[in-house]
Amino acid sequence: EDKVVQSPLSLVVHEGDTVTLNCSYEVTNFRSLLWYKQEKKAPTFLFMLTSSGIEKKSGRLSSILDKKELSSILNITATQTGDSAIYLCAVVRLNSGYALNFGKGTSLLVTP
Amino acid sequence: NAGVTQTPKFQVLKTGQSMTLQCAQDMNHEYMSWYRQDPGMGLRLIHYSVGAGITDQGEVPNGYNVSRSTTEDFPLRLLSAAPSQTSVYFCASSPRGQGSGEQYFGPGTRLTVT
Repeated sequence: EDKVVQSPLSLVVHEGDTVTLNCSYEVTNFRSLLWYKQEKKAPTFLFMLTSSGIEKKSGRLSSILDKKELSSILNITATQTGDSAIYLCAVVRLNSGYALNFGKGTSLLVTP
Repeated sequence: NAGVTQTPKFQVLKTGQSMTLQCAQDMNHEYMSWYRQDPGMGLRLIHYSVGAGITDQGEVPNGYNVSRSTTEDFPLRLLSAAPSQTSVYFCASSPRGQGSGEQYFGPGTRLTVT
């Protein structure tokens, strides 16, 4: 059975802190790993990772995949209150129509 | 483009009633899927489709039926609603072969079964 495990499940930080969110997976026929941000509505896409060791960046957010360790991290630097959200990690298997297998998410609260 | 649309936005059902959650996309995407989200559970895959006439089960398919007669529509049917099906339901679509892997989510349907 496929597994996607995120840690921590929740996190409270102060504005300006740097946070690292973790995602580990056990999936047969791995295709890709995706990160989403969810703020009280539908998830919004952040990154897709398919190759080990290649960092994806978007502003203060970055992510990297380690296929040997079957894991990924999402980094957020200089956090802002607008970063408060649930961050979801999802894995896609080959030949599954891009259907996503999600972890339970990390709830991040950034306090002023 | 309207993107992915879902109707209704909210629904209250009594135990045993049936209903259909509608999902439509106007982007000509081959792949569509249904998820449910419960507090503390992330999103769980119910059913998915790789094209018209082709569907498959996800992680939590029991109590739900789907069909895909057109590329645009992917309705989710609750056969006999149960309180355990109280949840937020998201539909998503993606084009085949897309490099970014992004799935486009609808706004969700909040379902309460009493």
